This record gives sequence, structure tokens and C-alpha cells, in this order.
Amino acid sequence: AQSVTQLGSHVSVSEGALVLLRCNYSSSVPPYLFWYVQYPNQGLQLLLKYTSAATLVKGINGFEAEFKKSETSFHLTKPSAHMSDAAEYFCAVSDRTGTASKLTFGTGTRLQVTL
Amino acid sequence: DAGVIQSPRHEVTEMGQEVTLRCKPISGHNSLFWYRQTMMRGLELLIYFNNNVPIDDSGMPEDRFSAKMPNASFSTLKIQPSEPRDSAVYFCASSPSDYNEQFFGPGTRLTVL
Repeated sequence: AQSVTQLGSHVSVSEGALVLLRCNYSSSVPPYLFWYVQYPNQGLQLLLKYTSAATLVKGINGFEAEFKKSETSFHLTKPSAHMSDAAEYFCAVSDRTGTASKLTFGTGTRLQVTL
Repeated sequence: DAGVIQSPRHEVTEMGQEVTLRCKPISGHNSLFWYRQTMMRGLELLIYFNNNVPIDDSGMPEDRFSAKMPNASFSTLKIQPSEPRDSAVYFCASSPSDYNEQFFGPGTRLTVL
């Protein structure tokens, strides 16, 4: 069965600093991986996805993530944080053994951006 | 292009009452998912459908919960009778194809008094 571990339930960075949100996965098949962002009182919005093409994936709002098979990781980064990046971020892995695109989500990381 | 539509956006009800949450997936998507989100338990998958057929309902907490998808453009999640511990935000999501990303609706915030 697939699983995702997000290290750090809360991360705080200064505006302009590097953002690094960690995600490690476990999967019995080559995974599809996703990062979602949730702003307060809103649904989840897709940031980026890895589907076995390029290992460095660029997403919206300046975020990117690198798939590292040897480390079973898919960490999310952004070179310079902005106040508007404050939100909760979820990593997810696709259960490609099923008949539908069921996703297994991590527990989320809340990003705080300070002045 | 409209995204996933959920109604109502907010629901306040009293314990014991029936609650029905509604979802209209994105046109052309063949999978639909119902999630529940709480502070304590995070995001939980309740049930999902593929081509209107329920595939996995193992996340449905108990018999008080039921979900239907009578056609490709509509799904309901019903709680009868509702209890205070059902208070949560319920999300519907749809997906265009197997192993693809899910598109989430804005959610329904349910409060059971």
C-alpha cells in the first residue's frame, strides 16, 4: 500500500527566505506524486504533479519539486517565500494499482511566513 | 469553466437530523471522491466512485453515512441521523482519468449542534 510522510507539521520562514517542505513516500509501484495547497476556508488546489516524466517538476506560484527515487522523496521548494504562500500544503501519492485515481494524502504542513 | 460545485457551503443542524450534501463534478471526469477534514483526523477519504459505481466505501465511518451517484453529473452524501462528532468540512473532488490529479470543490462546512 502507498503512504506519504510529511516531516514537520509546522514550518516558519521569513519573507524572502527559501521554502522547503519535506515529503517521503512509500509505494510498491512507480508512483505518481502530487503537491496540493489549501488556503484558509478553501478546497485543495493542485500545485504540481510528477507522473514519471522529468524528475524536476515546476508548478504554480514559483514552486517546484524534485523526485528522488533513491531517497523516496518529493520535497517542495520555493526560492523566495512570499506572505501569500502562507497556507497548508499536502503531499499525495497515487494508488496506481486500483481502478481509479485514489490518492493517499500526507497529514499536511502548515507554512507560516513572517516579515 | 466551472469547477467542482458543492452545496450547501455551510450547514448547521441539530443532532438527529438528516443532512444531505451535494456535489456536481467537472463535466467529463469519470471519478468522484468524498473526503472529510477535521483538525483531529486531517483529510479522510470516505468513498469514491468510478463511472458512477462505488469502488471503495471503506472510509465511511458507519451506517449513518451513505453516498450515491445516480448519474455522471451528480452525487450526494447523506448522514442520517447526524451527530455532533460529524461536524467537519466535507469535500468533493473529481478526476478526469485514472491516476490523474483530483480537482477539489470548495467544501461544505457542517456543524451539528
